[in-house]
Amino acid sequence: EAGVTQFPSHSVIEKGQTVTLRCDPISGHDNLYWYRRVMGKEIKFLLHFVKESKQDESGMPNNRFLAERTGGTYSTLKVQPAELEDSGVYFCASSQPSGLDTQYFGPGTRLTVL
Amino acid sequence: ELKVEQNPLFLSMQEGKNYTIYCNYSTTSDRLYWYRQDPGKSLESLFVLLSNGAVKQEGRLMASLDTKARLSTLHITAAVHDLSATYFCAAFLGSRLTFGEGTQLTVNP
Repeated sequence: EAGVTQFPSHSVIEKGQTVTLRCDPISGHDNLYWYRRVMGKEIKFLLHFVKESKQDESGMPNNRFLAERTGGTYSTLKVQPAELEDSGVYFCASSQPSGLDTQYFGPGTRLTVL
Repeated sequence: ELKVEQNPLFLSMQEGKNYTIYCNYSTTSDRLYWYRQDPGKSLESLFVLLSNGAVKQEGRLMASLDTKARLSTLHITAAVHDLSATYFCAAFLGSRLTFGEGTQLTVNP
C-alpha cells in the first residue's frame, strides 16, 4: 500500500512569490491534515479536512495560506505571497474515516523563503 | 490549550546503555502517540497509548502512559546505533495532534 506522498520535496522561493504544495493521502483515508515545523520549533497543526470539507482550520497562521481538497482526494496548500517566516517543513498526514486512528505522515516539503 | 513538553531535546548515548525520554502534557488527552523520524523521512508511528497504565513494547523500545500525572515515557534498553533518530511524542485531542519538540537521539559505538 502506498503511503502519503508530498510534492515537491524541496522548494526555494523568494519573498513575495507564490508556492503550492501538494499532498496525496493514503487511498481511502477521508481525513487529511496539514502540519508544519518551523526551524527549531515543534510540529504544529494547520488544518484538517474530512473528505473535501475543512473540519478545523484554526491552526492556519493567516490569510496568505489557502488549503483546498477538491473532490476529497489530494490536497494543495498555497502560500501567497510567501514571507521569510513561512520557511519550514510542511507535513501532510492522513487517517482512516473514523478520525480516531493513527495519522500517517508524508515525508514533508521543505520550504525555504529567501 | 494543550501543550506538550519533551525532554531531553538532545540525547547522546553509548551503545548498550539504557535511557528514558519523558513527555508531559498539560491537559486531558484522548491518546498519546510516539513517532520516530529519520532525517528526510516521514514520521513513523511507533506506539499509541490509549489508557492509564498502558504499556507497549517493540524491540528495545517501551512506552508507557500515566494519565493522572499526564506523563508518558519512552524507555530505550541496550541502545544500538540503528535507534539513532528524532523521537516525537504527540497528544491527540479532538482531531489534531499536538507535538513535543522532539528528542534527537544519537547512539554512539
